[in-house]
Amino acid sequence: DAKTTQPNSMESNEEEPVHLPCNHSTISGTDYIHWYRQLPSQGPEYVIHGLTSNVNNRMASLAIAEDRKSSTLILHRATLRDAAVYYCILRDERSSGSARQLTFGSGTQLTVLP
Amino acid sequence: DGGITQSPKYLFRKEGQNVTLSCEQNLNHDAMYWYRQDPGQGLRLIYYSQIVNDFQKGDIAEGYSVSREKKESFPLTVTSAQKNPTAFYLCASSIGNWGGAFNRYSNQPQHFGDGTRLSIL
Repeated sequence: DAKTTQPNSMESNEEEPVHLPCNHSTISGTDYIHWYRQLPSQGPEYVIHGLTSNVNNRMASLAIAEDRKSSTLILHRATLRDAAVYYCILRDERSSGSARQLTFGSGTQLTVLP
Repeated sequence: DGGITQSPKYLFRKEGQNVTLSCEQNLNHDAMYWYRQDPGQGLRLIYYSQIVNDFQKGDIAEGYSVSREKKESFPLTVTSAQKNPTAFYLCASSIGNWGGAFNRYSNQPQHFGDGTRLSIL
């Protein structure tokens, strides 16, 4: 899977929007962009994924650059419960047929300030 | 509610002892996975299973064993051969993901349990 680059940490104030960036300059045409987050002492939680178009769900929005070399996860109103490590992961749609593991990097530690 | 249950939450292992971590899901998912997470690091795949009675080694399978006798269960045994077992172990499941290229299931999200923290006595 192609590599992603994220800032090690970010801070946000409660109830303000948060924009978490991810660079993936070597992304291929069949790579989907996935975001997961992990709260302390818990398993990762799926947030959102997309291919080319921007995506919205109840948790967040995903904005994908036109050249697809970067993307941004948007939390519209951060709460204290959003404090977590956020992982940006690329997954190639051209699965060989084997179960697809998730390759997690070190992610971005988001701190939400009250 | 559907989900994945891992037990126990905390586990201690003595020297030379095998221990088994439980993972049960009621999501009717075919694929299941075991990951290991060390402090401050990402996840590494230990074993995965696409379907009942089938499983494959991941990147760090040495010292571990699994079984998949039932669709909903995928227990992991940490054997005495695993010399550095202290870690956070995570089980996940997803809709089955096999077939040729551009399989429409190839990007289904994985659902994780809350993990088991294993330590050495």
